[in-house]
Amino acid sequence: EDQVTQSPEALRLQEGESSSLNCSYTVSGLRGLFWYRQDPGKGPEFLFTLYSAGEEKEKERLKATLTKKESFLHITAPKPEDSATYLCAVLFLNRDDKIIFGKGTRLHILP
Amino acid sequence: NAGVMQNPRHLVRRRGQEARLRCSPMKGHSHVYWYRQLPEEGLKFMVYLQKENIIDESGMPKERFSAEFPKEGPSILRIQQVVRGDSAAYFCASSELAVFAAKNIQYFGAGTRLSVL
Repeated sequence: EDQVTQSPEALRLQEGESSSLNCSYTVSGLRGLFWYRQDPGKGPEFLFTLYSAGEEKEKERLKATLTKKESFLHITAPKPEDSATYLCAVLFLNRDDKIIFGKGTRLHILP
Repeated sequence: NAGVMQNPRHLVRRRGQEARLRCSPMKGHSHVYWYRQLPEEGLKFMVYLQKENIIDESGMPKERFSAEFPKEGPSILRIQQVVRGDSAAYFCASSELAVFAAKNIQYFGAGTRLSVL
């Protein structure tokens, strides 16, 4: 069964302390990988989509990268407002009618 | 351009009652998806609809749950005879293209939080 695993489950960082979140998936063929941000009580907000190994996307303090087995969301010099749950979702080649979400990483940036 | 609109934001029902959740997709989007989210769990796919058609309902329980996306009006997720286990956040997403199309992106609403007493 195709799976998406995110790690760590939770991460606490000091303001300005850079780190990376991981999203790994079973290798059955990737059609697309998506990163979302979700704030408490709100719906997921689209951040990035990646389609092929080696691809990178950037937005402010966030950069998403993709390999054949995993994706990283790098957070550079984070601020307290970056605190949120970050969700990874994958559209697999053999399940082309739905995307599968990981459980997310809860990120907390301390001022 | 308004985003995906869901209502109500919060819904309280007693066991055995019916719950109706509504979703208006973004303008120009004809593909709608419903997901359920439990605390500490990821978003779980329920159903994928295109105008007047159910494309994939493999994630939806066979009984008590139904979904529609009529030609006019919002998409509706209906839960009959609710039980406590139905308590969750239900999210709707919409997209301009089919889910398997290149460059497709799903945009989410703010969700409906259903509480069953």
